Amino acid sequence: DTGVSQDPRHKITKRGQNVTFRCDPISEHNRLYWYRQTLGQGPEFLTYFQNEAQLEKSRLLSDRFSAERPKGSFSTLEIQRTEQGDSAMYLCASSLAGEEAFFGQGTRLTVV
Amino acid sequence: SQQGEEDPQALSIQEGENATMNCSYKTSINNLQWYRQNSGRGLVHLILIRSNEREKHSGRLRVTLDTSKKSSSLLITASRAADTASYFCATGRDTGFQKLVFGTGTRLLVSP
Repeated sequence: DTGVSQDPRHKITKRGQNVTFRCDPISEHNRLYWYRQTLGQGPEFLTYFQNEAQLEKSRLLSDRFSAERPKGSFSTLEIQRTEQGDSAMYLCASSLAGEEAFFGQGTRLTVV
Repeated sequence: SQQGEEDPQALSIQEGENATMNCSYKTSINNLQWYRQNSGRGLVHLILIRSNEREKHSGRLRVTLDTSKKSSSLLITASRAADTASYFCATGRDTGFQKLVFGTGTRLLVSP
């Protein structure tokens, strides 16, 4: 499979717990993005990596959120002390410079 | 916050009919992209149009861009039941596609 892969597809967690999501981009893509989508809305930009460098972060990304992309390949998004408002679909996308972004199937997070 | 709005919010048509969706945005852009999203799934890239282009075609899709009015339209001709999905426009402000700003989406229902 040469598409963007996200794991897990679904995650249910109790409020206050930490969660971590993984994204494996298309192998030759040097750019990787995280977006968050709530029900009935379009995706909202969270953060962007070029290779291993995190170049831009949205104000939506509070200090409870951290993203990494070690070695410029896969990326992880961690949410600490989850809140009910964190419930959403977390989407990862990758691209080459100047080309369209391809999205994964997303991780649906439910905080109970 | 969302960049703009899609219009209509929901559209219901019969198979074989054409579907037209509109997107308005607020700031100057480098490019505009259209994506499709089936319920609870990831986003599928449909077409990209750059700010110096006025019209693009891809199969049954036709996209127009009017930068003076800050608007775009997506036309799906000869619609099929499989076209049932939500459609989002997303704008990019530079060539690197670091940050796509999505609209609120149009939910299209194509009945057999």
